[in-house]
Amino acid sequence: GAGVSQTPSNKVTEKGKYVELRCDPISGHTALYWYRQSLGQGPEFLIYFQGTGAADDSGLPNDRFFAVRPEGSVSTLKIQRTERGDSAVYLCASSLAPPGMNTEAFFGQGTRLTVV
Amino acid sequence: DAKTTQPNSMESNEEEPVHLPCNHSTISGTDYIHWYRQLPSQGPEYVIHGLTSNVNNRMASLAIAEDRKSSTLILHRATLRDAAVYYCILSRQAGTALIFGKGTTLSVSS
Repeated sequence: GAGVSQTPSNKVTEKGKYVELRCDPISGHTALYWYRQSLGQGPEFLIYFQGTGAADDSGLPNDRFFAVRPEGSVSTLKIQRTERGDSAVYLCASSLAPPGMNTEAFFGQGTRLTVV
Repeated sequence: DAKTTQPNSMESNEEEPVHLPCNHSTISGTDYIHWYRQLPSQGPEYVIHGLTSNVNNRMASLAIAEDRKSSTLILHRATLRDAAVYYCILSRQAGTALIFGKGTTLSVSS
């Protein structure tokens, strides 16, 4: 595909339910990132993958949040026992090289999660 | 983490140049300066980045102060489509994801 694809674009779930959010990065991009964004705030870093492994998961807010990237391409962000405070836009990005310094990241359109 | 300071908001008129400032007084010698922007209801998009020298691309120019403690993103002729939140970010080291602040909300009037 031409860009980073995220599905679904919108997700409404009930408090306490489990959700999965999917990210298809640009083909060949080894680095993949998850962010979440609340209204009026900048994107908040959650986790970064280099290949199949999570290189930095320091932004995950608690153990209800988990992400995988088993084959080094598609990634899934999993949220257990959702809470109303988890409502936000979840953004995925990818880059050709490891992040930082001289690398450009490409973002998807995001998944808007609403927990009711 | 190296911190950046940007004005909360700025206004511009269409067809006029826009200078978006960013202060980063604690920048280290190896930190790159990145600019991203986020249009309404979209994910952020890359604008430009640089290390020491001024940079130009099709979207904008980046002017970096000689002491590197500040930089300015220059949009040469603002259009309505440039209305967005602009983020100035320092990349601290290889392997560290970009950390976003609140950015500057740019409004463009016709």
